[in-house]
Amino acid sequence: QKEVEQDPGPLSVPEGAIVSLNCTYSNSAFQYFMWYRQYSRKGPELLMYTYSSGNKEDGRFTAQVDKSSKYISLFIRDSQPSDSATYLCAMSGGSYIPTFGRGTSLIVHP
Amino acid sequence: NAGVTQTPKFQVLKTGQSMTLQCAQDMNHNSMYWYRQDPGMGLRLIYYSASEGTTDKGEVPNGYNVSRLNKREFSLRLESAAPSQTSVYFCASSDPGRNTGELFFGEGSRLTVL
Repeated sequence: QKEVEQDPGPLSVPEGAIVSLNCTYSNSAFQYFMWYRQYSRKGPELLMYTYSSGNKEDGRFTAQVDKSSKYISLFIRDSQPSDSATYLCAMSGGSYIPTFGRGTSLIVHP
Repeated sequence: NAGVTQTPKFQVLKTGQSMTLQCAQDMNHNSMYWYRQDPGMGLRLIYYSASEGTTDKGEVPNGYNVSRLNKREFSLRLESAAPSQTSVYFCASSDPGRNTGELFFGEGSRLTVL
């Protein structure tokens, strides 16, 4: 079992839908939780960052961390075609070197 | 501000050939990384350098060597390329002093080994 599990999708939704992306993990030492967005043929870029448990909101994006369940989520409200990309969860502990999930491919169609 | 720059962007090799992927960052970051990304496998760490003068193996180091030439540059060398090394390679850098683990990535180098 990998330390970080993420469904690769693809996830296809209509424009305007609420999208839920999720990861589970097994390492209790993880305390920094990140979501990266990767457009086709580009490098990943940090989208959201959360320390420990709780919620964080940034515009249409909300990141949630539930350390008791070892489960993190990214919600996208009012999804747009420009949100079509691969979303990678990542998490790290004291070493600050992140472990990545496999990424979920999201397609938002008009 | 260029960020992380990788060269070359594309390369085709024959089995057994050698090559070096170059990476440079202009953000004064201490740490640099090399990842490979394969379909369905996500990003896997090959090598990293926590600071100038140090390098360490990651999850998949076999068949690769690295050199941290100075604070800005971190190169990845394939001594004898194999078809299993066909992949997209990403260089990244970070500033662990920010305590976030945020990585800044280059745009990738697409390598095909025939």
